[in-house]
Amino acid sequence: GDSVTQMEGPVTLSEEAFLTINCTYTATGYPSLFWYVQYPGEGLQLLLKATKADDKGSNKGFEATYRKETTSFHLEKGSVQVSDSAVYFCALSLSGAGNMLTFGGGTRLMVKP
Amino acid sequence: NAGVTQTPKFRVLKTGQSMTLLCAQDMNHEYMYWYRQDPGMGLRLIHYSVGEGTTAKGEVPDGYNVSRLKKQNFLLGLESAAPSQTSVYFCASVASGRGYEQYFGPGTRLTVT
Repeated sequence: GDSVTQMEGPVTLSEEAFLTINCTYTATGYPSLFWYVQYPGEGLQLLLKATKADDKGSNKGFEATYRKETTSFHLEKGSVQVSDSAVYFCALSLSGAGNMLTFGGGTRLMVKP
Repeated sequence: NAGVTQTPKFRVLKTGQSMTLLCAQDMNHEYMYWYRQDPGMGLRLIHYSVGEGTTAKGEVPDGYNVSRLKKQNFLLGLESAAPSQTSVYFCASVASGRGYEQYFGPGTRLTVT
């Protein structure tokens, strides 16, 4: 079945460090890919998305590129801030499947001043 | 435009009690979902609906029932609560069609003693 694998956390970085959170997927069709972020005590918010191969999603300094050849959608940010501390979820959805999301397990990011 | 709202925000139940969680969305979305989030386990789909009057089971449906009598509302019921149902519950909705993101509510924290 469809699945998403992302690196386990927690990831601890100093402020202004470079961030990469790896995400790979397995899907039977051509999925849309998403990164969601969950701040403490809140629901999930969409961070960025990409709907076809080679698309790059970007938002708030975060980027991820849909790589069909490596089935990956790694999240990157050049300079993290303390306010980026949160849990990040990679997810995919396939059309015709009720737009259901298949989530990775989440990666907790902690940024220290 | 309130997005997705959930009622209540917090609830404590005794084993065997029943309750209903209400989810409402004002975006005219076709699809709605109920998830539970447990520590270290990411989000798991309980039930979902692809339209008014329709519901379907997700990954972890046992012990829960749902109803979608109106397009904007999706109710999650626990008939006889068990301690294993202690969790944070999230509702989400999405428009039909490829590549649209799910919008999440703020969550309901349920404790069953």
